[in-house]
Amino acid sequence: EVQLVESGGGLVQPGGSLRLSCAASGFTFGSYWMRWVRQAPGKGLEWVADIKQEGTEKYYVDSVKGRFTISRDNARNSLYLEMNSLRAEDTAVYYCARNQGYCSGGRCALLSDYWGQGTLVTVSS
Amino acid sequence: EIVLTQSPGTLSLSPGERATLSCRASQTVTSTFLAWYQQKPGRAPRLLMNSASYRATGVPDRFSGIGSGTDFTLTINRLEPEDFAVYYCHQYGDSPFTFGPGTKVDVK
Repeated sequence: EVQLVESGGGLVQPGGSLRLSCAASGFTFGSYWMRWVRQAPGKGLEWVADIKQEGTEKYYVDSVKGRFTISRDNARNSLYLEMNSLRAEDTAVYYCARNQGYCSGGRCALLSDYWGQGTLVTVSS
Repeated sequence: EIVLTQSPGTLSLSPGERATLSCRASQTVTSTFLAWYQQKPGRAPRLLMNSASYRATGVPDRFSGIGSGTDFTLTINRLEPEDFAVYYCHQYGDSPFTFGPGTKVDVK
């Protein structure tokens, strides 16, 4: 059974830092792209970042570029999100998700098929 | 950035009725890379459909999807009590990958 368990959320002051972790089990972690998605309280979903299997490619939404860093440790089956210079608008539940490749019309793209339960990050003074 | 708009915002229906949810994109969704998720309060999103019309593993056949280009529809036939939730459409073909604001299906 695929399981993703996030941890590391909490209350942090504006300008502060936090490191989120996601422990994966039930699948070959190192064979999958992984993703972070966030959801502000009472709001919709927002893609945050993706990382390739070996960690050699990383992609971010513009609003977090230069502040957040996605990384992984395949030996520990773990995904991370280092968040710096946090702002009030970063307040959200952060989900880690496994990406699966789907192909259509000769092209392939990544879609999150399994998600963790999320960890809440609150940025407030 | 592809902006997704969902309508209606809320759909109030009774168990056994049919739900029709709409998702419209601001530009063509590449290769119909359009997915639907279901989310219940306090829970993670659950993948329902990929490529507009393919049900994910374990999704009942009362869920169906159709669409291409900029217009997509999710239909839920014969609503079951467990189907009352928020539904998000999501395009995953072009970065930044975006989600619609959601349609809440609640009990009438």
